[in-house]
Amino acid sequence: SQKIEQNSEALNIQEGKTATLTCNYTNYSPAYLQWYRQDPGRGPVFLLLIRENEKEKRKERLKVTFDTTLKQSLFHITASQPADSATYLCALGSSNTGKLIFGQGTTLQVKP
Amino acid sequence: DSGVTQTPKHLITATGQRVTLRCSPRSGDLSVYWYQQSLDQGLQFLIQYYNGEERAKGNILERFSAQQFPDLHSELNLSSLELGDSALYFCASSVLGQSWEGYTFGSGTRLTVV
Repeated sequence: SQKIEQNSEALNIQEGKTATLTCNYTNYSPAYLQWYRQDPGRGPVFLLLIRENEKEKRKERLKVTFDTTLKQSLFHITASQPADSATYLCALGSSNTGKLIFGQGTTLQVKP
Repeated sequence: DSGVTQTPKHLITATGQRVTLRCSPRSGDLSVYWYQQSLDQGLQFLIQYYNGEERAKGNILERFSAQQFPDLHSELNLSSLELGDSALYFCASSVLGQSWEGYTFGSGTRLTVV
């Protein structure tokens, strides 16, 4: 069955450093991969989308890579700030439906 | 405010009861999605509607049903509730109901079954 794996352990980093989060998947060939941010008790917020034929996407301090051979996406936040502390979810979608399958998320804690 | 409105925000009910969760999508969005989020399961896809028609279905229990109305709002009905149904229920919307669009999520309904 389709499986998405994100680090279940929280990632703790120092302010100003680059945070790197990993999303691995199996038994799936997604056409699109999305990243969301979720704060406690709130709904996820869309951050970035990358297509299967794109290697990298950037938006301000965010960068996403997508390697369909390794079946992996990396999500980077450069110059991290305490306000970046949240849970980050990756989600996979195919080309024939709008349905997204979400990973469990990785919690990022940025310490001042 | 994301533009997706979910009501109620909190719901406490007893086992065996039935509840209805309501979602109004962001203005201009034709597609609505329902997800269940529990601590151990993460976000689980339940069902998607597009312009009133069911488009995709996940592992939605037979005790659960949903519909999207002509004004595009959606309702998720949960019946014969069990303790394990306690979770956050999120509604999300998008314009065309395609995977190349980001979803806009509501703030969720927290259901507690006692």
